[in-house]
Amino acid sequence: EVQLVESGGGLIQPGGSLRLSCAASGFSVSSNYMNWVRQAPGKGLEWVSVIYTGGKTYYSRSMRGRFIISRDDSKNTLYLQMNSLRADDTAVYYCARSLFSDSGTYLAFWGQGTLVTVSS
Amino acid sequence: QSVLTQPPSVSGAPGQWVTISCTGGTSNIGAGYDVHWYQQLPRSAPKLLIFGNVNRPSGVPDRFSGSKSGTSASLDITGLQAEDEADYYCQSYDASLSASVFGGGTKLTVL
Repeated sequence: EVQLVESGGGLIQPGGSLRLSCAASGFSVSSNYMNWVRQAPGKGLEWVSVIYTGGKTYYSRSMRGRFIISRDDSKNTLYLQMNSLRADDTAVYYCARSLFSDSGTYLAFWGQGTLVTVSS
Repeated sequence: QSVLTQPPSVSGAPGQWVTISCTGGTSNIGAGYDVHWYQQLPRSAPKLLIFGNVNRPSGVPDRFSGSKSGTSASLDITGLQAEDEADYYCQSYDASLSASVFGGGTKLTVL
C-alpha cells in the first residue's frame, strides 16, 4: 500500500529555516517524480516543487532560490529545505507522488500534510 | 492569480448535474497537456478524481466525468449527493513556467 507521511512542520520565525520530510512506503521515491504542494489557510492548492527520477529539480517561481527539494534513496524519504521563510509561506505542505498520463503527470498519491506557521 | 481559471463556486440540488470549468492558455491546456482533477473534502488532503482529462481512478463513481477541448476542460458531476460537497481543483502543466499549475479551486455546495 502506498503511504506518504509528512513531518517537520511547526512554528518558525520570519527569516528562519525549516526542513520538511516525507517518508514513503509501498514504492520507491527514487523511481518516481515526487512533488511538494502547499495550501495557505483558506486558500487553494499551490504547486511548490518536483524532483525527477534522474535528480533534476524544478520550483515555483516564488520559491526558487529559497526552497530546495531533495531525497534520500536509502531512507526512501523526500525533503523540502525551506530558507528565508516569510509569513506568506504559512501553509499546509503536502508531498505527492506523480504518475504519468499520455501528456503530462498527475498527483496520484498524497500525504496528509504538515502545517508550517511563519510568525514572530 | 492562478494560471488556470475556475469559477469560485457552483451549487446544485441533490440529484442534479453541475459542471466546473477550467480555462487555461496556449502554454498549458492549449499546448496539449492533460488536465487532472482533484477533490478536497473539508479538513482532508486532496484526492485524485480524474486523470488524463477523462480517466477515473479505481473507486471513483462514474457520476464524475471529465472532458477537454482547446484551452479548456470541464468536470461534470451528475446525480449530486451530499457527500460531493467539497473543493475541486484542476491541474495541468505549463511549458512556459516549466511547472505544474493548479486552478484556483471551485467550492461545490449541495443545496
